[in-house]
Amino acid sequence: AQTVTQSQPEMSVQEAETVTLSCTYDTSESNYYLFWYKQPPSRQMILVIRQEAYKQQNATENRFSVNFQKAAKSFSLKISDSQLGDTAMYFCAFMNNNAGNMLTFGGGTRLMVKP
Amino acid sequence: DTGVSQDPRHKITKRGQNVTFRCDPISEHNRLYWYRQTLGQGPEFLTYFQNEAQLEKSRLLSDRFSAERPKGSFSTLEIQRTEQGDSAMYLCASSLGGGGPLYGYTFGSGTRLTVV
Repeated sequence: AQTVTQSQPEMSVQEAETVTLSCTYDTSESNYYLFWYKQPPSRQMILVIRQEAYKQQNATENRFSVNFQKAAKSFSLKISDSQLGDTAMYFCAFMNNNAGNMLTFGGGTRLMVKP
Repeated sequence: DTGVSQDPRHKITKRGQNVTFRCDPISEHNRLYWYRQTLGQGPEFLTYFQNEAQLEKSRLLSDRFSAERPKGSFSTLEIQRTEQGDSAMYLCASSLGGGGPLYGYTFGSGTRLTVV
C-alpha cells in the first residue's frame, strides 16, 4: 500500500512571493504518477500539476512547478508570484499505473496568501 | 457538458436514517469514483466503476454502504442506518478510461453529510 505525507498542515505567504509545499510518499512501485490538487474553500478539487515517475524533468505549469526527487520519494510544489486566489487546501496525491488508477491523498496543506 | 455534478450539496439526517447521493459524471467518461473526505483530511477512496461494473471497493465501504451505476451513466451511493461517524464530504470523480494518469480526474463539488 502507498502512503502520502504532507508535513505542513498550514502555511502562509505574502502576495507575490514564492512558497514551497512539501510532500513525501512511500511505495514499492516503479511506475506511478504524482499530482497536486487544489481545493478552494467550499469549492471543488482541481488539478494543479502532474508528474510521471519515469520522467526526470520536473513538471511546470505557469507559476506552479514541482521538485521531484524519485530516490528520496519527495514531490514538492513551488508556487511563484503567489496570488490571493491561490488560497486553498493543497493535496499531494499518488496514482499507481494499474487498472484502477485510484488516488492516494496526503492530509493536505492549508495555504493562506496574505495581501 | 458542465462537469461532474453531485446532488444534494448538503444533507442533514438523523442517526439511523438512510441517505442516497447522486453523481452525474462527464458524459464521455467511463470511469466513476467515490471518495470520502472528513474535515481537515485528504480524500479516501471508497469504490470505482468502469461503465456499469463496480470493479473495486475499499475496506472503508462497510456493509451499510452500497453504490450502483446502472447503465454506466450516473451513480448513486446509499448509506443505510447512518452513524455519526459517517459525517463527511462524499466526493465523486470521473475519468476517461486510462486517462486518469494523464489528466487526473474531474471532481464534483461533493455532498456534505451531517448525521445528528
